Amino acid sequence: QKEVEQDPGPLSVPEGAIVSLNCTYSNSAFQYFMWYRQYSRKGPELLMYTYSSGNKEDGRFTAQVDKSSKYISLFIRDSQPSDSATYLCAMSGGSNYKLTFGKGTLLTVNP
Amino acid sequence: DGGITQSPKYLFRKEGQNVTLSCEQNLNHDAMYWYRQDPGQGLRLIYYSQIVNDFQKGDIAEGYSVSREKKESFPLTVTSAQKNPTAFYLCASSIGLAGTPYEQYFGPGTRLTVT
Repeated sequence: QKEVEQDPGPLSVPEGAIVSLNCTYSNSAFQYFMWYRQYSRKGPELLMYTYSSGNKEDGRFTAQVDKSSKYISLFIRDSQPSDSATYLCAMSGGSNYKLTFGKGTLLTVNP
Repeated sequence: DGGITQSPKYLFRKEGQNVTLSCEQNLNHDAMYWYRQDPGQGLRLIYYSQIVNDFQKGDIAEGYSVSREKKESFPLTVTSAQKNPTAFYLCASSIGLAGTPYEQYFGPGTRLTVT
């Protein structure tokens, strides 16, 4: 079993839709959870950072962590064509700052 | 403006040649990282450094080497021993022990093609 599993998609939605992106993980030591957005041929951009379980909201983006289920989610409300990108989940729990990444989900928001 | 720069954006080399990728940051971050990204793959850690003059191997270090002589610089050399060097290379940094070390910030990447 891979440490982090992420559905690669592709996911295509109409503009204005609510998008749900998810990752599951197997390492119970993970405590820090991040979501990155990566546009084509660019470096990833940190979107959300969450410690332990719970929700965190930033504008149209909400990150959820359920440690009991080893499941994390990113919700995008009122999705826009500019949200079209690959979304990568990442997580860590050790003392050496290493991140373990999912493979990314390719999202297209159609106008 | 603070940030991470990587140069060049595109790099072409012949098989058997070593090549060095540049990474510079002016964020005053202690920790720096090198990742490799292949199509359909997540990011895989090559090397990381938590402090000047110290670095550790990541998950796929074979065929790569690094140095960390200055806080702001972390160059990566792709040697001829790397069997499949064509990939998108990403450099990242994080604040380190002083803050939230897990928030890594990435540069724009270097796309290396070896023929």
